[in-house]
Amino acid sequence: GAVVSQHPSRVICKSGTSVKIECRSLDFQATTMFWYRQFPKQSLMLMATSNEGSKATYEQGVEKDKFLINHASLTLSTLTVTSAHPEDSSFYICATSGSLREQYFGPGTRLTVT
Amino acid sequence: DQQVKQNSPSLSVQEGRISILNCDYTNSMFDYFLWYKKYPAEGPTFLISISSIKDKNEDGRFTVFLNKSAKHLSLHIVPSQPGDSAVYFCAASARGGSNYKLTFGKGTLLTVNP
Repeated sequence: GAVVSQHPSRVICKSGTSVKIECRSLDFQATTMFWYRQFPKQSLMLMATSNEGSKATYEQGVEKDKFLINHASLTLSTLTVTSAHPEDSSFYICATSGSLREQYFGPGTRLTVT
Repeated sequence: DQQVKQNSPSLSVQEGRISILNCDYTNSMFDYFLWYKKYPAEGPTFLISISSIKDKNEDGRFTVFLNKSAKHLSLHIVPSQPGDSAVYFCAASARGGSNYKLTFGKGTLLTVNP
């Protein structure tokens, strides 16, 4: 399957600041990438689908002005959490589409907002 | 409304025995199902998938069974190994649109005891 990396793996930021998370597809040209969020002991919740060269599609209830997604190339998508608050603390994971309908996930980014 | 349900939060099995993880779904539009394995603070790893045109798919120690009439699928791991201890997520995808979004269950923590 595809190899996906994320950076940083862990970040702590102060309330009100913005944080950028990078997701790279290392061996696969990903026209589509997905961003998920997972709270402790909960399922993975899809936040948005990002398509290279176009605007991301956000799931219901996800604020697009707060979670900015950019997919400028076939190997890189970024998620920026703007004006972060403690309730945004979570585990953020990106994924790329496989050759069939599977998705391959990055290692995740643990965001803690103090 | 949870469309993919994993009703057992945890399962404990002896090494060498069979592990059976269950998953139910409610959305009749789902036609592709996947199982992922996840360790703490890591992204999910794709294990095996099945299309709704099949009722069984096998890959090594992992077999997925699909019962469409009951809207139920299960993952069998045999023989179970201590390294299989992880959280297992069931996911489903519906046909339609250009991106196949995944809907995840809440996961089942499998513990394989030596």
